[in-house]
Amino acid sequence: NAGVMQNPRHLVRRRGQEARLRCSPMKGHSHVYWYRQLPEEGLKFMVYLQKENIIDESGMPKERFSAEFPKEGPSILRIQQVVRGDSAAYFCASSPSQDGYTFGSGTRLTVV
Amino acid sequence: LAKTTQPISMDSYEGQEVNITCSHNNIATNDYITWYQQFPSQGPRFIIQGYKTKVTNEVASLFIPADRKSSTLSLPRVSLSDTAVYYCPRLPSGNTPLVFGKGTRLSVIA
Repeated sequence: NAGVMQNPRHLVRRRGQEARLRCSPMKGHSHVYWYRQLPEEGLKFMVYLQKENIIDESGMPKERFSAEFPKEGPSILRIQQVVRGDSAAYFCASSPSQDGYTFGSGTRLTVV
Repeated sequence: LAKTTQPISMDSYEGQEVNITCSHNNIATNDYITWYQQFPSQGPRFIIQGYKTKVTNEVASLFIPADRKSSTLSLPRVSLSDTAVYYCPRLPSGNTPLVFGKGTRLSVIA
């Protein structure tokens, strides 16, 4: 049973481009969480999704950021018109219920 | 959301026992206490979880006093590979996600 898979591991985007980060949860896990981590900082919650539903997006910036977890396929975190301040590590976690989060290795986004 | 508080950093020599304490002000009745470990360039890894008293697994022990306003993660005989950041996020009941603080950076010295 593979762990939580995130891709790409590293992503470089120019200012104004779009960034798409993918997260495949562990098999059987229907809860997906996205977190952002700036250098030397803790993880900041962004959004919590279950299949086809956004449960909590209280940590998502109001503009340019969106997330989905379709019935089939991975969860996608999408950042439109990226700016330098979006440079960070983005981690995805999944769980079968509310217990035992398993995190992926993250996607490091660099905006140049 | 209730915040947790823990020391920013700690140093230890190899072979020593390390205790990292976290305060859980305003912890709710149904919240569990969890601890995670994060190495550089990796996602956090679950270590241990508890509700009250003591929990032990193959990696660590977790001590939670009766009032549940704090918890202590105990790592026996640390090695260099235990150098990491340790977080103590609350696990709320219901559809509320884990809330992480800045964690404690543990440095193990040979």
